[in-house]
Amino acid sequence: AQKITQTQPGMFVQEKEAVTLDCTYDTSDQSYGLFWYKQPSSGEMIFLIYQGSYDEQNATEGRYSLNFQKARKSANLVISASQLGDSAMYFCAMREPLVDYKLSFGAGTTVTVRA
Amino acid sequence: GAGVSQSPSNKVTEKGKDVELRCDPISGHTALYWYRQRLGQGLEFLIYFQGNSAPDKSGLPSDRFSAERTGESVSTLTIQRTQQEDSAVYLCASSSSSGGIPEQYFGPGTRLTVT
Repeated sequence: AQKITQTQPGMFVQEKEAVTLDCTYDTSDQSYGLFWYKQPSSGEMIFLIYQGSYDEQNATEGRYSLNFQKARKSANLVISASQLGDSAMYFCAMREPLVDYKLSFGAGTTVTVRA
Repeated sequence: GAGVSQSPSNKVTEKGKDVELRCDPISGHTALYWYRQRLGQGLEFLIYFQGNSAPDKSGLPSDRFSAERTGESVSTLTIQRTQQEDSAVYLCASSSSSGGIPEQYFGPGTRLTVT
């Protein structure tokens, strides 16, 4: 069964606007972690932001914020003030249980920022 | 400090040949992971090493795939009798168990093409 679902294969966003990337997850564990990674065309995986299942506040990291809705099992990424350099593939991932362990990745969303 | 390194960056091989892919994790990172990424898709977990514990091989797709790790250092992923469906980018990641955000640091990947 799919553990991470990203329903938007591709999105266009105007420079300086905000964009929301959807991610829903499936787990029966109470303790888990959610990650977002960025993969530019060069191929490297860049860690963006992390949310633990017990964290009460939504995670923020610069222009990135994670809209965590635990009851709905969603962990959407919001990128504010988009820049041309934000054009990339974005992956949502989950680690369960909360130990040093493998990540389950979604299929990804391609974001293209237009000038 | 040095990040995760992988070699070779690109490998073209003929169907039926064996290949070895190498990963040098970040010094001091006890956990090491191998993932496979097919074109346009998310990452699939292959294998996980944690210190001197037995590796989790649950993601290896067939017995043609194997991996070794020497202590907490270099790891080698071996694919025997390569098939065209093995063509993908193979990503290695490492992480620390010292607390904080359980981020995995990824290497640049090895692009494997089986002709």
